[in-house]
Amino acid sequence: EPEVTQTPSHQVTQMGQEVILRCVPISNHLYFYWYRQILGQKVEFLVSFYNNEISEKSEIFDDQFSVERPDGSNFTLKIRSTKLEDSAMYFCASIGGGSYEQYFGPGTRLTVT
Amino acid sequence: AQSVTQLDSQVPVFEEAPVELRCNYSSSVSVYLFWYVQYPNQGLQLLLKYLSGSTLVKGINGFEAEFNKSQTSFHLRKPSVHISDTAEYFCAVRTMNRDDKIIFGKGTRLHILP
Repeated sequence: EPEVTQTPSHQVTQMGQEVILRCVPISNHLYFYWYRQILGQKVEFLVSFYNNEISEKSEIFDDQFSVERPDGSNFTLKIRSTKLEDSAMYFCASIGGGSYEQYFGPGTRLTVT
Repeated sequence: AQSVTQLDSQVPVFEEAPVELRCNYSSSVSVYLFWYVQYPNQGLQLLLKYLSGSTLVKGINGFEAEFNKSQTSFHLRKPSVHISDTAEYFCAVRTMNRDDKIIFGKGTRLHILP
């Protein structure tokens, strides 16, 4: 069964550093998403992406964040200058034509020290 | 805008006992409803979904949920829980626009007692 993959599974970085979280959505999917889950809290929407541009973004997704689909298979989330409060699990998701279900990746745990 | 309320942050239940995890939602438009499960240190797995049709939806691992439009509820049930059901359960909604984001509840931690 096709699945969404994410790398790395765990990223540790120092405050102020840039990080790039990578996702490979399911190959024929068209819509892509990033969600965030701070430890012990609910999963929150960050951004959706379609046709090489952002469809919607939440208040969390400020100028420090950016997304890109650089090569037709990867979907990346960049945090320009990480803060302690960016520590969270980041989930990528995708949805394909004719489907109503978003398929989630296993997540990347980001720890900012 | 949509919102999801899971009133119970934790539910302890004895093994082999039945369980119900409550979920209420608010929306000015019709929505799709989902339950996701998150096992310790793992990602999100879809348990079941309600799109249309029969209001009783069966999912994986013996779980089922009933959509009640008048009460705007989508409670999750299992007649007999197992220790392996220990996890966080998230109720979620989405509008019927295919590409819309998912709105999650705060989650309910199911704690199975031996």
